[in-house]
Amino acid sequence: LAKTTQPISMDSYEGQEVNITCSHNNIATNDYITWYQQFPSQGPRFIIQGYKTKVTNEVASLFIPADRKSSTLSLPRVSLSDTAVYYCLVGSWNSGNTPLVFGKGTRLSVIA
Amino acid sequence: KAGVTQTPRYLIKTRGQQVTLSCSPISGHRSVSWYQQTPGQGLQFLFEYFSETQRNKGNFPGRFSGRQFSNSRSEMNVSTLELGDSALYLCASSLRQGDNEQYFGPGTRLTVT
Repeated sequence: LAKTTQPISMDSYEGQEVNITCSHNNIATNDYITWYQQFPSQGPRFIIQGYKTKVTNEVASLFIPADRKSSTLSLPRVSLSDTAVYYCLVGSWNSGNTPLVFGKGTRLSVIA
Repeated sequence: KAGVTQTPRYLIKTRGQQVTLSCSPISGHRSVSWYQQTPGQGLQFLFEYFSETQRNKGNFPGRFSGRQFSNSRSEMNVSTLELGDSALYLCASSLRQGDNEQYFGPGTRLTVT
């Protein structure tokens, strides 16, 4: 399983763009990079997933460099409601027998 | 489309008792995974079921068990409850076995006294 490393916490002001970087030096060829968001006392929510280059949806963008040893989740113009824990996971559904491993995540605090 | 539902939402049990938690996945999803979340250990994988068979299992004692029915609904059972079993138990469903894109339910908050 590819291990991930993320900052424990980040602070940001409302309206700013937030970039959370995740390191995954031993990512395997078949692995995808997936990000989840979790609010207190709720289940995690799938945000975005990518394999290489850039992926964008209505919530966030995911930037993955060519070597794929890291990835950056970008949240545009955050609001107070984006305060949550963000998890970066690496794995491949193709393997079929490797469960998702959630690390400690990054606690993002958005300040007014 | 309805999301993942879990029942009950809150539960208080006494040490030594057993408990059964239920999870209904999103319609069409065939994989159901269970997780335990505590402040100290974070989110930990319990097991995954796909087509009524356990496909993956985390590092938990045999007191934790589960099953999946033909309609993909799943139940999780914990026997001989211990104080340390107090946690938020989350169920997640996905289309495929081992899928990284999972959809979580609201969880069952279990308190063991």
